[in-house]
Amino acid sequence: DTEVTQTPKHLVMGMTNKKSLKCEQHMGHRAMYWYKQKAKKPPELMFVYSYEKLSINESVPSRFSPECPNSSLLNLHLHALQPEDSALYLCASSQDGTGGHGELFFGEGSRLTVL
Amino acid sequence: GEDVEQSLFLSVREGDSSVINCTYTDSSSTYLYWYKQEPGAGLQLLTYIFSNMDMKQDQRLTVLLNKKDKHLSLRIADTQTGDSAIYFCAEKTGANNLFFGTGTRLTVIP
Repeated sequence: DTEVTQTPKHLVMGMTNKKSLKCEQHMGHRAMYWYKQKAKKPPELMFVYSYEKLSINESVPSRFSPECPNSSLLNLHLHALQPEDSALYLCASSQDGTGGHGELFFGEGSRLTVL
Repeated sequence: GEDVEQSLFLSVREGDSSVINCTYTDSSSTYLYWYKQEPGAGLQLLTYIFSNMDMKQDQRLTVLLNKKDKHLSLRIADTQTGDSAIYFCAEKTGANNLFFGTGTRLTVIP
């Protein structure tokens, strides 16, 4: 199993809603990532979890709250988002976060629209 | 900070070779990568090269790295319509982060 599975594939939410994006991998990887990708732009790193601990937060607003319940799961909790937060949210995993060639395996993404 | 630049667009005819170029600024990069993204999809790793190598070949793909000029290229031989996509180069900076280039949209004309 070399897949990173993200749900939902599409999400439309209002600015007062609370929702969550979910990501799962069963490759035994110990590093998991959230990236944000706006249209026609490259992915930008938001968060990195390494061995279930938050290791990188790229100054992301607190309306985005990551959670790593165990080594296979990564959530992104969304609250009070703005329309400019509409984007494709990509989850990725890698074997570990400490070195090596660090190949990232990406999910298909969750396309978020904030009304 | 990191700055990874690519040409935005490239069009080639089916069967020709495509060359996608990338320049980066961080000389401490350890690995450099090429990812492919089809419309509405996630990113698929195509190949990577360690920074002490200058060439890597993998079937139709050839990666060239000029570390002195901080220039990376991806050559796709015998380009097919299924190769139409956006191609991102990326550099590994630090233990846990990939920094992506601006992306090149490759269009293959039948």
